[in-house]
Amino acid sequence: QSVLTQPPSASGTPGQRVTISCSGSSSNIGSYSISWYQQLPGAAPKLLIYSKNQRPSGVPDRFSGSKSGTSASLAISGLQSEDGADYYCAAWDDSLNGVIFGGGTKLTVL
Amino acid sequence: QLQLRESGPGLVKPSETLSLTCTVSGGSISSSGYSWGWIRQPPGKGLEWIGSFHYSGITYSNPSLKGRVTISVDAPKNQFSLKLSSVTAADTAVYYCARHGGIATRPFDYWGQGTLVTVSS
Repeated sequence: QSVLTQPPSASGTPGQRVTISCSGSSSNIGSYSISWYQQLPGAAPKLLIYSKNQRPSGVPDRFSGSKSGTSASLAISGLQSEDGADYYCAAWDDSLNGVIFGGGTKLTVL
Repeated sequence: QLQLRESGPGLVKPSETLSLTCTVSGGSISSSGYSWGWIRQPPGKGLEWIGSFHYSGITYSNPSLKGRVTISVDAPKNQFSLKLSSVTAADTAVYYCARHGGIATRPFDYWGQGTLVTVSS
């Protein structure tokens, strides 16, 4: 059972803006930066967003992140068909003394 | 460009020990600025952190794995390894090695391609 809670699925049409939420607690999101990963079918996860809405080189600025208290969100604007993937949030957790991942959200582009 | 590659047996018998190696190229695992880790993903399921380490000797492992995890380093070969003992079918998963972009509280910025390990007699 994941300590970070994500909706299992999300969907949108091309061009739309979609948000994916991630809910945690004071021992993880409340204390540490959150990161978001994109996992395309059959591929390894890829870092998408980290720290305060930072994107690794090559990640389009259509992807953005935000955090408030013990919750965080990933927003994808101008949705494209290639954005269809699984998205995971993650953070360090003081109670676990390790990394925790959300259960993942499957994004379908209709 | 940093690259990580997992290797090891794809089939392990129940109750035996799963052993995997991660070979790093394009960077040094003994670099003081980074930590390294293992993550796994059962078929059709989400990601689970297994453990992480820093070359200085600091290690962390997921308590849910109940002390079955050993992570070791071979600096001259620029490799690190995972051993998971007393495996069961529940340990069947794709296993990834990855680099933290700093200390272990930082996100995983580079990942290997993953290797599927099946636990079955």
